[in-house]
Amino acid sequence: EPEVTQTPSHQVTQMGQEVILRCVPISNHLYFYWYRQILGQKVEFLVSFYNNEISEKSEIFDDQFSVERPDGSNFTLKIRSTKLEDSAMYFCASTFFGDEQYFGPGTRLTVT
Amino acid sequence: SQQGEEDPQALSIQEGENATMNCSYKTSINNLQWYRQNSGRGLVHLILIRSNEREKHSGRLRVTLDTSKKSSSLLITASRAADTASYFCATPTGKLIFGQGTTLQVKP
Repeated sequence: EPEVTQTPSHQVTQMGQEVILRCVPISNHLYFYWYRQILGQKVEFLVSFYNNEISEKSEIFDDQFSVERPDGSNFTLKIRSTKLEDSAMYFCASTFFGDEQYFGPGTRLTVT
Repeated sequence: SQQGEEDPQALSIQEGENATMNCSYKTSINNLQWYRQNSGRGLVHLILIRSNEREKHSGRLRVTLDTSKKSSSLLITASRAADTASYFCATPTGKLIFGQGTTLQVKP
């Protein structure tokens, strides 16, 4: 069964460093999302991406964040200058037509 | 997208018992979805019910939808220890907005 994959599973970085989180959505899906979950808190929407552009973003998704689908398969989330409060699990999700979303296993980002 | 609010926040049952979780939402919907999250892991889509459906089954899962009351319920029958997880409802229009969920513990 097709699945969404994410790499790395765990990323440790120092405050102020740039990180890139990678996702490979299900191949025929058209809509892509990033969510995050701070430890002990609920899952929060960050950004949605469709037709090679951002379709919606939350207040969390400020200028430090960017997304890209560079080669038609990978979907990346970049944080330019990480802060301590960016420590969280980051989940990628995809869907074909906007109904059920398929989530990846997540990347645990730890900012020290 | 409209946030779903799950109730109860926590539920603890014995293996073999049924578990019922409820969800309320605020405005009109096209569909309502239920997801499961095992501790610290990704969310898994369980079931989708459309606004013109009242009940839907999938294996041991039964979902009901009452659009007049803006509520839904998820019933897990004959629960297993492996059902221990957090359960969320979502009423998506694109992005998903999650509530705090119901944390279900199934004791062996």
